[in-house]
Amino acid sequence: SQQGEEDPQALSIQEGENATMNCSYKTSINNLQWYRQNSGRGLVHLILIRSNEREKHSGRLRVTLDTSKKSSSLLITASRAADTASYFCATDASLSGGSYIPTFGRGTSLIVHP
Amino acid sequence: DSGVTQTPKHLITATGQRVTLRCSPRSGDLSVYWYQQSLDQGLQFLIQYYNGEERAKGNILERFSAQQFPDLHSELNLSSLELGDSALYFCASSPRQGNQPQHFGDGTRLSIL
Repeated sequence: SQQGEEDPQALSIQEGENATMNCSYKTSINNLQWYRQNSGRGLVHLILIRSNEREKHSGRLRVTLDTSKKSSSLLITASRAADTASYFCATDASLSGGSYIPTFGRGTSLIVHP
Repeated sequence: DSGVTQTPKHLITATGQRVTLRCSPRSGDLSVYWYQQSLDQGLQFLIQYYNGEERAKGNILERFSAQQFPDLHSELNLSSLELGDSALYFCASSPRQGNQPQHFGDGTRLSIL
């Protein structure tokens, strides 16, 4: 099963609105990352938040982390049509042979209508 | 441009065949990761190499194998292909081990007929 699960599975908004996506995970983590994937392309790293951080900003992106609830949220403010993509969270909780396996959720599909 | 190059972009083959997917990591990156992305399974981690050595294994089938060469490029070999192996295969790289930002290639789309 996936370590991280994004919610909602799909989100449709108008340009200029804010988009909020959530990620829940099951076990303790060292850090959590958010990635974006445009259709047919590879994933692009957006932001990394460490377990001792509660909030992080990067341009129009705001990520929060609540380790007590094992959840994170990604907020995209003033969305643009170009933000249309799938967004994934990735955690590092899994351990295999002394190495951390990055575990991705199934993603939230965001559509921003112009 | 992530700096990670994957070839070929598309591959169409038949059941029972064997294919090799190639990945050149971003300059300076020592870790290479392989992933399989399908509609029903999402993005699944297959295997990781660091500086030529296998470091972690995920849900990789025995029919699949990989290696990382001295020049740090990596190849993923898929054999005895089945219809269910049809998917997007991504390679990603990072400078070191551990959970850090990864740079993804644009993938190889494998279609099994």
